[in-house]
Amino acid sequence: KNEVEQSPQNLTAQEGEFITINCSYSVGISALHWLQQHPGGGIVSLFMLSSGKKKHGRLIATINIQEKHSSLHITASHPRDSAVYICAGYTQGGSEKLVFGKGTKLTVNP
Amino acid sequence: DADVTQTPRNRITKTGKRIMLECSQTKGHDRMYWYRQDPGLGLRLIYYSFDVKDINKGEISDGYSVSRQAQAKFSLSLESAIPNQTALYFCATSDLGHQETQYFGPGTRLLVL
Repeated sequence: KNEVEQSPQNLTAQEGEFITINCSYSVGISALHWLQQHPGGGIVSLFMLSSGKKKHGRLIATINIQEKHSSLHITASHPRDSAVYICAGYTQGGSEKLVFGKGTKLTVNP
Repeated sequence: DADVTQTPRNRITKTGKRIMLECSQTKGHDRMYWYRQDPGLGLRLIYYSFDVKDINKGEISDGYSVSRQAQAKFSLSLESAIPNQTALYFCATSDLGHQETQYFGPGTRLLVL
């Protein structure tokens, strides 16, 4: 069964702290999608990666294929980063579909 | 204007009623998806369509049906709504290709009484 697990489930930080959210996935997942869900419910794509590392502003995503593990890092966190961060894996084998983790709720306090 | 729109944004209905949720996109994508989100469970795939003539069931399709009226439109119907279909519903699109980024609509909050 294709699975994606995230940790931690909840995370509270002070403004300026370095944040790490982890995602582990099972055999059968070939690429990962990091998503951000705003408090109002909207979902936006942050990164899609199948190898290496990607960076956009203060956000960095890495993936280790051998260990089946990905991390999302936020540098110099800010209260506007408060959101739910979702890791989703693309399944292999033809009909490419996303399997979602349950999300990590991040709260950054001023 | 948003690339992926959903109507209605909020809906309250009663058990047994037929409900249709609509999704439209201006991105020109071939692939469209319907998901539901429940607290503590994450997003789950209901149905997906890779083109107008291709409709596929996802992991939780029971109680739902879909219609792909055009490349840009993908509707989700609840034929006879029940309370456990109360959830946040998202439509998403992606371009034809290998593991493309998915773009999500704003969501529809559905409450079935």
